[in-house]
Amino acid sequence: EAAVTQSPRNKVAVTGGKVTLSCNQTNNHNNMYWYRQDTGHGLRLIHYSYGAGSTEKGDIPDGYKASRPSQENFSLILELATPSQTSVYFCASGVTGGDYEQYFGPGTRLTVL
Amino acid sequence: GEQVEQRPPHLSVREGDSAVITCTYTDPNSYYFFWYKQEPGASLQLLMKVFSSTEINEGQGFTVLLNKKDKRLSLNLTAAHPGDSAAYFCAVPLSGGSNAKLTFGKGTKLSVKS
Repeated sequence: EAAVTQSPRNKVAVTGGKVTLSCNQTNNHNNMYWYRQDTGHGLRLIHYSYGAGSTEKGDIPDGYKASRPSQENFSLILELATPSQTSVYFCASGVTGGDYEQYFGPGTRLTVL
Repeated sequence: GEQVEQRPPHLSVREGDSAVITCTYTDPNSYYFFWYKQEPGASLQLLMKVFSSTEINEGQGFTVLLNKKDKRLSLNLTAAHPGDSAAYFCAVPLSGGSNAKLTFGKGTKLSVKS
């Protein structure tokens, strides 16, 4: 069965530290997405990718970088973590064209102290 | 205004009652719509996928109504049970194109009391 996995599932970081969140998908989908979920805001798109080597800015990219080294892997990088980046982060994958359905990973809970 | 507006943010009903969650969207060219369910502490799972040519869709105890004229999508639950307690999100692909992004509503937290 197709799957999206994320690591770590929980992370505590210090302000100013570097954090890398990883996502792996076995769906063979071209598109991958990073969202954050906060109470009262729903899901907000941070970065996305159309394929290996591509990254695009989403709606709230400030303070985040992304890397797509392969079809399967998509990373979200916080170079200088801040407490405002405390959130739950979801990765998703989806096909190019088609019906735009996205398949979500289990989420990573990040706390920045 | 918001491109996808979802109401209400919170909904509390008794077991056996009906519940309605509504989303309005701005892009008249949207032709796929999604409802996702998120149980506490879990990820988002697809609940229903709706294609614009069909105004009524049923599945998993829910009915989705699509009013293209008013750009309104509703998720209707006719007889709620405690297992339906969760957050529900509508999602609409905006901007068109083969790589359109999904824009999510802010969610509705449904609580079903027995």
